[in-house]
Amino acid sequence: EVQLVESGGELVQPGGSLRLSCAASGFTFSHNEMNWVRQAPGKGLEWVSHISASGGTAYYADSVRGRFTVSRDNAKNSLYVQMHSLRAEDTAVYYCARGALGYCSSTTCYVAFDVWGQGTMVTVSS
Amino acid sequence: EIVMTQSPATLSVSPGERATLSCRASQSVSSNLAWYQQKPGQAPRLLIYGASTRPTGVPARFSGSASGTEFTLTITSLQSEDFAVYYCQQYNDWPRTFGQGTRVEIK
Repeated sequence: EVQLVESGGELVQPGGSLRLSCAASGFTFSHNEMNWVRQAPGKGLEWVSHISASGGTAYYADSVRGRFTVSRDNAKNSLYVQMHSLRAEDTAVYYCARGALGYCSSTTCYVAFDVWGQGTMVTVSS
Repeated sequence: EIVMTQSPATLSVSPGERATLSCRASQSVSSNLAWYQQKPGQAPRLLIYGASTRPTGVPARFSGSASGTEFTLTITSLQSEDFAVYYCQQYNDWPRTFGQGTRVEIK
């Protein structure tokens, strides 16, 4: 069964740091680009970050650029996001999502998010 | 940044009726448009990608279409399990962006 399981979410003070993990199973993790998407309480979905299959390319939302760093360990089938300088507005459920189903050109891939984890809650509050 | 605008915000539909949800992109996204369904307390689920392609396992009552920068998700004969929030997303450009969602509720 294809599965993504997030962990690491907790209550953290403003200005603090946190590292989230996403464990993948049931597919060849190293073949897929991965994403982090978050959802603040009662709000819509916000894409946070992307990392290529090899880990060589990453993109970030403006709201987190310079504070969050995405990484992956293909040997451990794991995706991570290191979050620093956390703010109240970072409070959200964080989902990891696999990028697949679409197509790739010679330079980039255009793929939807076909598998999602159950999410992990990050609360930034004093 | 490409802005995705969904309408309406809420759609009230009776079971068995058809629901039509709209999504407009602020600029061209080609056919790189997906629709997701989210139920309370659950992760989003991919319904449509490539503007009109259903992944394996998604019921045929869900269909997507496109005309320029206007995209439509149609749900024919709504079932009880279809009452949820639906999001469109463009994956043509960075940052990837989602619409604000359309809630489909029981009339």
